[in-house]
Amino acid sequence: DQQVKQNSPSLSVQEGRISILNCDYTNSMFDYFLWYKKYPAEGPTFLISISSIKDKNEDGRFTVFLNKSAKHLSLHIVPSQPGDSAVYFCAASARGTGTYKYIFGTGTRLKVLA
Amino acid sequence: DTGVSQDPRHKITKRGQNVTFRCDPISEHNRLYWYRQTLGQGPEFLTYFQNEAQLEKSRLLSDRFSAERPKGSFSTLEIQRTEQGDSAMYLCASSLGQEGEKLFFGSGTQLSVL
Repeated sequence: DQQVKQNSPSLSVQEGRISILNCDYTNSMFDYFLWYKKYPAEGPTFLISISSIKDKNEDGRFTVFLNKSAKHLSLHIVPSQPGDSAVYFCAASARGTGTYKYIFGTGTRLKVLA
Repeated sequence: DTGVSQDPRHKITKRGQNVTFRCDPISEHNRLYWYRQTLGQGPEFLTYFQNEAQLEKSRLLSDRFSAERPKGSFSTLEIQRTEQGDSAMYLCASSLGQEGEKLFFGSGTQLSVL
């Protein structure tokens, strides 16, 4: 049972344009979400987080949107740069239930074309 | 602050052998996580510790896997009687355990079971 889903395995975007990466979840108890970027042979690197009490969080070129009713979140990268080419993972936790375990999605490979 | 350190970076072993991996978290981080990642998948939760207490363990985790964090600092993950299906990247992460926490990952240990 994949509780966190990233249905697009890959995405190509032109440099300077917006990249939108999507993530869906099934567990309504999830209340905290993280986005990570991963390069080959390295561990994931934290990008941005959002709590379920918010519907948007921004940090520089990265913005995460949360739609709780749709159980959907998205990561926007504007403007996209070639260095953003990596695999992106979303992760979710149900902290209100007393756990700090994070469930990760399967990832989306972003390629930013110069 | 040197980040999360994992040792070894690579391990090749024969089926049936035991292997042990070490993780040194960021100092003062009280939560420590172990994840496993295979090609094309997201990180799969294995277990996590708060200080020296192992708070949660994946139900899918075979009893051949055991993790310890004896003094609440470094952690070890042991796999007994390795199988080819254990071949994966084993990732360790740590966090401060505060509101708005994020996980900091190490570079992982790549295990190949022949």
